Amino acid sequence: QQQVKQSPQSLIVQKGGISIINCAYENTAFDYFPWYQQFPGKGPALLIAIRPDVSEKKEGRFTISFNKSAKQFSLHIMDSQPGDSATYFCAATRGDFGNEKLTFGTGTRLTIIP
Amino acid sequence: SAVISQKPSRDICQRGTSLTIQCQVDSQVTMMFWYRQQPGQSLTLIATANQGSEATYESGFVIDKFPISRPNLTFSTLTVSNMSPEDSSIYLCSVKQGFDGYTFGSGTRLTVV
Repeated sequence: QQQVKQSPQSLIVQKGGISIINCAYENTAFDYFPWYQQFPGKGPALLIAIRPDVSEKKEGRFTISFNKSAKQFSLHIMDSQPGDSATYFCAATRGDFGNEKLTFGTGTRLTIIP
Repeated sequence: SAVISQKPSRDICQRGTSLTIQCQVDSQVTMMFWYRQQPGQSLTLIATANQGSEATYESGFVIDKFPISRPNLTFSTLTVSNMSPEDSSIYLCSVKQGFDGYTFGSGTRLTVV
């Protein structure tokens, strides 16, 4: 059962444009939603994360928008740069003891073209 | 956040053999996780390893195939046993610090021939 659905599978954006990646989850017990960035040959690195008590979180060029009623959250990358070309994974988890494992989305391969 | 050293970074192994992957963390952590990432795919959790207790395996993964050790709060190993080409993948360890912090190692790229 895929508990976190991610789209699109791949995305091409021009330099300076806005990259948008969407995720939807099923488990209403999830209460922590991180986004990870992965470059080839590297492990995933935490980019930004949000909890369901806020609808938006911004860190530099990266923004998470969260819609609790729709069970959806999205990553926006403003002023996209070639260095942002990577694979992005959304994830979700519960915070209570024994349920801390992350459930990952399927990933989005982002390519920023000049 | 924690710094994870994972060894080996890559290996090519003969089918039927076993490989042990090491994960060393620069600080004490309670929870460690082992993931598999097949080429171009997402991460799939193999098991959760807590110090002082048996690892908890996810559906589709068994201890005989993927034995895990967790001798202390900074170290863990994952063994991939009796390997077949289908085990070719990237294996990653991850740790959780505090409520929010999940950190990943750089992974072990395994090719079984």
